[in-house]
Amino acid sequence: EPEVTQTPSHQVTQMGQEVILRCVPISNHLYFYWYRQILGQKVEFLVSFYNNEISEKSEIFDDQFSVERPDGSNFTLKIRSTKLEDSAMYFCASRTDSYTGELFFGEGSRLTVL
Amino acid sequence: DQQVKQNSPSLSVQEGRISILNCDYTNSMFDYFLWYKKYPAEGPTFLISISSIKDKNEDGRFTVFLNKSAKHLSLHIVPSQPGDSAVYFCAATGAGGTSYGKLTFGQGTILTVHP
Repeated sequence: EPEVTQTPSHQVTQMGQEVILRCVPISNHLYFYWYRQILGQKVEFLVSFYNNEISEKSEIFDDQFSVERPDGSNFTLKIRSTKLEDSAMYFCASRTDSYTGELFFGEGSRLTVL
Repeated sequence: DQQVKQNSPSLSVQEGRISILNCDYTNSMFDYFLWYKKYPAEGPTFLISISSIKDKNEDGRFTVFLNKSAKHLSLHIVPSQPGDSAVYFCAATGAGGTSYGKLTFGQGTILTVHP
């Protein structure tokens, strides 16, 4: 069964450092997303990406965040200068063009900012 | 942001019995509702969904009920199995187009099914 894969599974970084989280969505999917879950809190929408551009972003997704799909298969989330409060589990998700209600999520990348 | 609420943080059920997980929402623009299941150290896994034009959707042991007037939905699992033990998230979306993948999640309910 096709799946969304994410790397790394866990990254520890120092505050102020840049971090790139990588995702390989399911190959025939057209819509891509990043969500995050801070420990003990809800899963929150960060950004959606379609047709090589951001289609929607939340207020969390400020100038420190960026996304790109550099090579047609990978979908990356970059945090330019990490803050302590960026520590969370980051989930990549994707879906097809016809909405059947199903987002496929990856297993997540745990980011720990020290 | 309390647009989607799951008021029960946990639920404990005996194997073979029915599990009922509840969810309330406040945003009238939501027109599609989903339930996801999550095990520790894994991403959410889609279970079942329902459009606002329906009031019930069934898939095997899982049934979702939607009461639009009350802005309430529930997930029924019958019969419950120990493997169903996980965190269950209610999620909602709407407004069409690319916004459909923008899910608003509830806080989750930890379901424990005892053998």
